[in-house]
Amino acid sequence: GAVVSQHPSRVICKSGTSVKIECRSLDFQATTMFWYRQFPKKSLMLMATSNEGSKATYEQGVEKDKFLINHASLTLSTLTVTSAHPEDSSFYICSARDALAGVYNEQFFGPGTRLTVL
Amino acid sequence: SQQGEEDPQALSIQEGENATMNCSYKTSINNLQWYRQNSGRGLVHLILIRSNEREKHSGRLRVTLDTSKKSSSLLITASRAADTASYFCATDSWGKLQFGAGTQVVVTP
Repeated sequence: GAVVSQHPSRVICKSGTSVKIECRSLDFQATTMFWYRQFPKKSLMLMATSNEGSKATYEQGVEKDKFLINHASLTLSTLTVTSAHPEDSSFYICSARDALAGVYNEQFFGPGTRLTVL
Repeated sequence: SQQGEEDPQALSIQEGENATMNCSYKTSINNLQWYRQNSGRGLVHLILIRSNEREKHSGRLRVTLDTSKKSSSLLITASRAADTASYFCATDSWGKLQFGAGTQVVVTP
């Protein structure tokens, strides 16, 4: 149980295009999902907290107009990187917390999406 | 910003040996979690220890937590080549995780 999927797993795009990444909880409902960014051989940096039915909460320094987050259902959150540039190239990972498990429990992570902007 | 600092940054051991890595953090926490990441993959949850717990076991894993020193350790006993991965600690404060820099563990057969 507790599987989180991400799609696509890998995307290469041209500079200036927008890319949408989907994060789904497959066998549980997630009122809260999180989006992280990871640079090579580095740690995960929390970008934003996505709450079902409301606006996402962004961490300091993360441009909300650049990284659009939508959490339209209890099993799906999307991250859209708008007008992507090479510096947006990174590994993006989402996680989800089971709505029934409470706030202070483990998060389940997706397999990540490798974004390369040419 | 990163909450946790991990030590060592890298660890190379032989199969059968134990691997110990440490994590220190700065602010108060609700719990501390350890995750494992294979190269280019997502994170796998290993163990969660709550702020009122001092030690926890799961299979070959043993985690300790010292809230007075704001530190935690992860011990992997009888390591296997398949344990080769990066290991991250993450502190949970009010439902948000902040990750340490990670320890890269290489287990050679």
